[in-house]
Amino acid sequence: EVQLVESGGGLVQPGGSLRLSCAASGFPFSSYWMHWVRQTPGKGLVWVSRINTDGSGTSYADSVKGRFTISRDNAKNTLYLQMKGLRGEDTAVYYCARDKGYGDYPDYWGQGTLVTVSS
Amino acid sequence: QSALTQPRSVSGSPGQSVTISCTGTNSDVGGYNSVTWYQQHPGKAPKLMIHDVSERPSGVPDRFSGSKSGNTASLTISGLQAEDEADYYCCSFAGSYTWVFGGGTELTVL
Repeated sequence: EVQLVESGGGLVQPGGSLRLSCAASGFPFSSYWMHWVRQTPGKGLVWVSRINTDGSGTSYADSVKGRFTISRDNAKNTLYLQMKGLRGEDTAVYYCARDKGYGDYPDYWGQGTLVTVSS
Repeated sequence: QSALTQPRSVSGSPGQSVTISCTGTNSDVGGYNSVTWYQQHPGKAPKLMIHDVSERPSGVPDRFSGSKSGNTASLTISGLQAEDEADYYCCSFAGSYTWVFGGGTELTVL
């Protein structure tokens, strides 16, 4: 069974940093691209970032480019999202999601971790 | 990277059919046959319902179907059931390995 468990969310001040983690199990993690998607409380889903199997290829939404960095540790079956220069509009539930193949679409999703940016 | 346009809400009675539209541009919906639909119940993670415009993953009832014409994709749910009440989101590949979601549609089963 595919399982994705996010952690690392919490309250952070504007301008601060936070690193999210996503522990994967139930599938060969190193063979799949991965995504981060966020959801503002009470609002819609927004794609944030994706990474290929070995971490050599990444892409970002314009709203986070230059502030967020996606990475992965295939030995630990873990996906990361390093967030810097956080703003109020970054407040959201952050989901990690597995890609169906190689840049196809997110298929399995975790339960999410809440990031709140506030002073 | 503008969000795809979905109606904020739709509704239907049990047994009826509803269609949710998802309008984008030539750079996303119209440019690729890579539209997906997700169902999200309150407090839950999104669940994949349709991929590649009209393909259903195993386990998804055949009451759910997808289509696309030009820059607009559609999700049709026939034979509405109470458990279909949820939020539905479309998503499209948007080139350069980026993706864009719709704003979501709240489905109410009357």
